[in-house]
Amino acid sequence: IAGITQAPTSQILAAGRRMTLRCTQDMRHNAMYWYRQDLGLGLRLIHYSNTAGTTGKGEVPDGYSVSRANTDDFPLTLASAVPSQTSVYFCASSREGASDTQYFGPGTRLTVL
Amino acid sequence: AQSVTQLDSQVPVFEEAPVELRCNYSSSVSVYLFWYVQYPNQGLQLLLKYLSGSTLVKGINGFEAEFNKSQTSFHLRKPSVHISDTAEYFCAVKEGGSEKLVFGKGTKLTVNP
Repeated sequence: IAGITQAPTSQILAAGRRMTLRCTQDMRHNAMYWYRQDLGLGLRLIHYSNTAGTTGKGEVPDGYSVSRANTDDFPLTLASAVPSQTSVYFCASSREGASDTQYFGPGTRLTVL
Repeated sequence: AQSVTQLDSQVPVFEEAPVELRCNYSSSVSVYLFWYVQYPNQGLQLLLKYLSGSTLVKGINGFEAEFNKSQTSFHLRKPSVHISDTAEYFCAVKEGGSEKLVFGKGTKLTVNP
């Protein structure tokens, strides 16, 4: 069982380019989350989805969009990347909602120049 | 609104010494509390969580935490640390009725020989 996979592992991107970070889970979890981790700021929630077909905004949603077409996949899209979006991005999932244990992927390190 | 304060950004200790990592939260309603650990270049994994019941919660790797409602605290403790406990530790809180987990900024624990 792989758990949660994220792709790419790392990426360097020119400002203004569009980028989609991929996240797939094989645990049949209903809820999925995207966080960004920045030094000294901890993890901040970008977007979440409680079930396929629904999404919600987190603490820092501006500049990001998500979709949840099925249970397993939860891609995060940066429509026009800016340098302040340089960060490590973690996808996570939980069986039900946020009171359940969240299982994290290995992360994607994104650098926007 | 819920928030989490981890009082120490860095905690250096010697091997086999006890350690306490402090976490305070602010919320006016019932909460669920979590501690996650992040080893270098990895995603987060759950150490322990408090949902209800006994205020003393035992987790993996010999860690435990005590929920103190009057002090709004959820400090993490281990009586004797190992080199392998070197990692960053994150406290997180979810308010009842909220769909989001809010993380503290993290405490970097360094265990020295």
